[in-house]
Amino acid sequence: DVKVTQSSRYLVKRTGEKVFLECVQDMDHENMFWYRQDPGLGLRLIYFSYDVKMKEKGDIPEGYSVSREKKERFSLILESASTNQTSMYLCASSPRGGSWSYEQYFGPGTRLTVT
Amino acid sequence: DQQVKQNSPSLSVQEGRISILNCDYTNSMFDYFLWYKKYPAEGPTFLISISSIKDKNEDGRFTVFLNKSAKHLSLHIVPSQPGDSAVYFCAANGGAQKLVFGQGTRLTINP
Repeated sequence: DVKVTQSSRYLVKRTGEKVFLECVQDMDHENMFWYRQDPGLGLRLIYFSYDVKMKEKGDIPEGYSVSREKKERFSLILESASTNQTSMYLCASSPRGGSWSYEQYFGPGTRLTVT
Repeated sequence: DQQVKQNSPSLSVQEGRISILNCDYTNSMFDYFLWYKKYPAEGPTFLISISSIKDKNEDGRFTVFLNKSAKHLSLHIVPSQPGDSAVYFCAANGGAQKLVFGQGTRLTINP
């Protein structure tokens, strides 16, 4: 069974703080993704990675950065948290190649509140 | 620029009846589509998919229909059950193994 875990289910941070969200997958997947989910906007891609040390910007990368030092771990960093980054953050992974690679496996999400 | 649109934010259906969730897309390059289901406080889980070379794919109570000329797909759930109450997201392959998601439709099954 594919398992994607996220370090925190709920997080409250202050404006200006640096925030780290961690994601770990146990299926040896090459691809990893970070999304945020907001009401009425669906899931929007922040960053993704095809391999260790590789990263690509998604649709809304501003204010975020990522790190992938190991294949199973993908971290999302909010350099200076702002209230408009209050959201549900979802991590996902998928294998490389073929139509099956479109099927992404999601973690449970981190509800981040920035005050 | 919303390339995948789910125009109904919510849908309410009686238990045992058919639920039909709709999704429209604008990019004719999309050739693979997926539906995900999301319960509160959980991540989305994959439900069913369809390739553009097909117009229908069935898996138990779930069937997805694709109309390429209309750039429209729909998810049919028959019969609907209380456990089907969730938010459903439509997604399309956005190139480079990425997915583009719709806004989601909240389905409520009433007993």
